[in-house]
Amino acid sequence: AQSVTQLGSHVSVSEGALVLLRCNYSSSVPPYLFWYVQYPNQGLQLLLKYTTGATLVKGINGFEAEFKKSETSFHLTKPSAHMSDAAEYFCAVALNNAGNMLTFGGGTRLMVKP
Amino acid sequence: EAQVTQNPRYLITVTGKKLTVTCSQNMNHEYMSWYRQDPGLGLRQIYYSMNVEVTDKGDVPEGYKVSRKEKRNFPLILESPSPNQTSLYFCATRVPRRTGDTQYFGPGTRLTVL
Repeated sequence: AQSVTQLGSHVSVSEGALVLLRCNYSSSVPPYLFWYVQYPNQGLQLLLKYTTGATLVKGINGFEAEFKKSETSFHLTKPSAHMSDAAEYFCAVALNNAGNMLTFGGGTRLMVKP
Repeated sequence: EAQVTQNPRYLITVTGKKLTVTCSQNMNHEYMSWYRQDPGLGLRQIYYSMNVEVTDKGDVPEGYKVSRKEKRNFPLILESPSPNQTSLYFCATRVPRRTGDTQYFGPGTRLTVL
């Protein structure tokens, strides 16, 4: 079974500051890892994902994440926050098997102060 | 345009009154899934379907039913809703045999059971 922990249900940064959203996972087999973003009153959109290959993954809107197997982490970063980044962010893990279940973390709400 | 649609988007009902939330996709994806989103818990999978007439339980199936009679539709049925089923519900689709593929989410259905 797999699980995902997102540290910090709320994160507040100033506009222009570094964004760091933390995600740790547990998995018995090599995982696929995802970050999704949810803007108010909308569904989830994929920001980026790691499946195989390069461990530093770049996504949309200037976000990137690095898969660190030794730390079982997949933290999301953005060098400079923008007001439009205010949203809820979900880390998720899927196993490479036929079960196809995507397991989500509890979510982190990012607030950006002017 | 690739789309996942859900209806209704908002629903207030009373305990015990059967309801159905519809989900439809135009991407010809075989895999469809239902999630519920609750504060602090992220998204939890209710049921999923690998193909027509093939459905399986997710993490939290109690109190829910699904059917998959055709590829494009995957309705979620609450035979006797209870207040603990008040939640935000999302339908999602993707190609089933490629676990690393992106899931596409519908806009969500906010259900309140009084």
